[in-house]
Amino acid sequence: DTEVTQTPKHLVMGMTNKKSLKCEQHMGHRAMYWYKQKAKKPPELMFVYSYEKLSINESVPSRFSPECPNSSLLNLHLHALQPEDSALYLCASSPEQVPNYGYTFGSGTRLTVV
Amino acid sequence: DAKTTQPPSMDCAEGRAANLPCNHSTISGNEYVYWYRQIHSQGPQYIIHGLKNNETNEMASLIITEDRKSSTLILPHATLRDTAVYYCIVRVHNYGQNFVFGPGTRLSVLP
Repeated sequence: DTEVTQTPKHLVMGMTNKKSLKCEQHMGHRAMYWYKQKAKKPPELMFVYSYEKLSINESVPSRFSPECPNSSLLNLHLHALQPEDSALYLCASSPEQVPNYGYTFGSGTRLTVV
Repeated sequence: DAKTTQPPSMDCAEGRAANLPCNHSTISGNEYVYWYRQIHSQGPQYIIHGLKNNETNEMASLIITEDRKSSTLILPHATLRDTAVYYCIVRVHNYGQNFVFGPGTRLSVLP
């Protein structure tokens, strides 16, 4: 298995809803990442997990809450989002948080906040 | 990390070589050059990376100038499926250094 799987592929949520995005990989990668991508813009790093511990939080608002329950799974919990949070949310993984390796990205979850 | 400059868009005829330039004039000695691409509605895909020697894999070739201030990604026989945004990223090989994406080049392969 050489893929990063993200679910759901599309999500529409209200500003008072609580939802979660899920990311899974079975490549034995020990670093996992969340990126956010607005339309016609490059991806922007949000969070980095290394060996199931949060190592980087790029000053992301607390309405986004990441979780890494095990080495294969990464979640992003969403609560009280704003319409401007609508974007493509991308998950990626790499063997370690060592730059010699390229990242493997999932296809993303397209989130719409109404 | 050094910044990169890429043309915002390029066209290429199907079957011809696509040569995508990247300027990284402030690159430092321990920074590698990486290329990714993003096909519409998909996640970015790693293509290739290099330090100072030219590199080739099944997807592309990477040519880095001797002074390392610029590089070119070559897709030898572009197909319609190569239409994508191509990102050139320079990055230090240290723990904790992550990929920062710039605007990239939108390559359109034309029939």
